[in-house]
Amino acid sequence: DGGITQSPKYLFRKEGQNVTLSCEQNLNHDAMYWYRQDPGQGLRLIYYSQIVNDFQKGDIAEGYSVSREKKESFPLTVTSAQKNPTAFYLCASSTHEGAPRGYTFGSGTRLTVV
Amino acid sequence: GDSVTQMEGPVTLSEEAFLTINCTYTATGYPSLFWYVQYPGEGLQLLLKATKADDKGSNKGFEATYRKETTSFHLEKGSVQVSDSAVYFCALSPFEGANNLFFGTGTRLTVIP
Repeated sequence: DGGITQSPKYLFRKEGQNVTLSCEQNLNHDAMYWYRQDPGQGLRLIYYSQIVNDFQKGDIAEGYSVSREKKESFPLTVTSAQKNPTAFYLCASSTHEGAPRGYTFGSGTRLTVV
Repeated sequence: GDSVTQMEGPVTLSEEAFLTINCTYTATGYPSLFWYVQYPGEGLQLLLKATKADDKGSNKGFEATYRKETTSFHLEKGSVQVSDSAVYFCALSPFEGANNLFFGTGTRLTVIP
């Protein structure tokens, strides 16, 4: 079955460390997205990519970086510059036609700074 | 700018009760509207959508009608089940091919037997 796989499900990071969250899709979707979810808040867009080797900043890109070397993969690195990284991170993808068809979401990675 | 406002929760209902979760939107153009559901510890799943005024989206007994005159997209279900306990998000896409969905803050629903 096609879908989006995020790994790991839980991740613990020490202060000052960079960590990378994996997101892989086999839906042949062109666009991929990273969102951050905090308790009691909606989803906020971190980065998105519409084609390979191209990506754009979202609303809260500071302290994060991404790459899109393959259509199937869109890893997110949370750098030490991100001051409050503890959150639930969601990856999503969509067809080239974009949001009206709806996004497919992964099951998320919960990142905790220890 | 474009935004979505949904009713704050949490909402607690008894099984077989009627559910309404309010959602209103602000948009400059002709948005598409969505409801997503998030079960504990999981990502979001598309529940239903509507792409133009007066469209009704429906799925799994849930319905929502795109009302342009009241800029609303309220989620309803006639008889909720314990398995419907989840967080529900209203979302808006400003136009076809838009780069982002704008999400509401989510409404937590708990259904008790």
